[in-house]
Amino acid sequence: EIVMTQSPATLSVSPGERATLSCRASQSVGTRLAWYQQKPGQAPRLLIYAVSTRATGVPARFSGSGSEADFTLTIGSLQSEDSAVYYCQQYNNWPPWTFGQGTKVEIK
Amino acid sequence: EVHLVESGGDLVKPGGSLRLSCAASGFIFSDYNMNWVRQAPGKGLEWVSSIGSSSDYTSYADSVKGRFTISRDNAKNLLSLQMTSLRDDDTAVYYCAKYSRGSCLTCPLDFWGQGTLVTVSS
Repeated sequence: EIVMTQSPATLSVSPGERATLSCRASQSVGTRLAWYQQKPGQAPRLLIYAVSTRATGVPARFSGSGSEADFTLTIGSLQSEDSAVYYCQQYNNWPPWTFGQGTKVEIK
Repeated sequence: EVHLVESGGDLVKPGGSLRLSCAASGFIFSDYNMNWVRQAPGKGLEWVSSIGSSSDYTSYADSVKGRFTISRDNAKNLLSLQMTSLRDDDTAVYYCAKYSRGSCLTCPLDFWGQGTLVTVSS
């Protein structure tokens, strides 16, 4: 099973500033890495897939990068509505699909 | 527009059984492999089970193997999860989710339902 490790657990950022979230896999997942956003009381929403491709309707301030086992989600200019928990997920080696434990982004 | 609507969540005693359903609409359900993913209160996401578009395969997380059974009825656009021998640590919101491409397994999950809460407690 591939273990996904996210850091930090919580990130506090001022509006307009950049937020950088990290995700590390215990072994290479190639480019099969996705990011999801989850707001309180809501279902997860696909943000980014294939490391860097934004899903339909996702604002351009969200970007993904990385390869093999080290990945980054960047929120270029944080908006108040970006307050959420963000999860990475590998979909290269299955079963099981595995998720990181999440990074909570808070607005200062 | 894609819609996934889960139902069937309830309070159940340890050792009990429950059947969850997910009604799908807005896409050709029979073309897509499907999943169940759960989230314990205040915790992260855990993949539970997957099923092929024509029920040609099923797969389960080790934590539920032998206790949960995934199935689907393509004529009714319905995904199901039969849960038996429930334990306290099965308490979670259960989401159904579709892959982003029809017959794909190595694809992200592009639509999720709103979830249904299963509480296992005496």
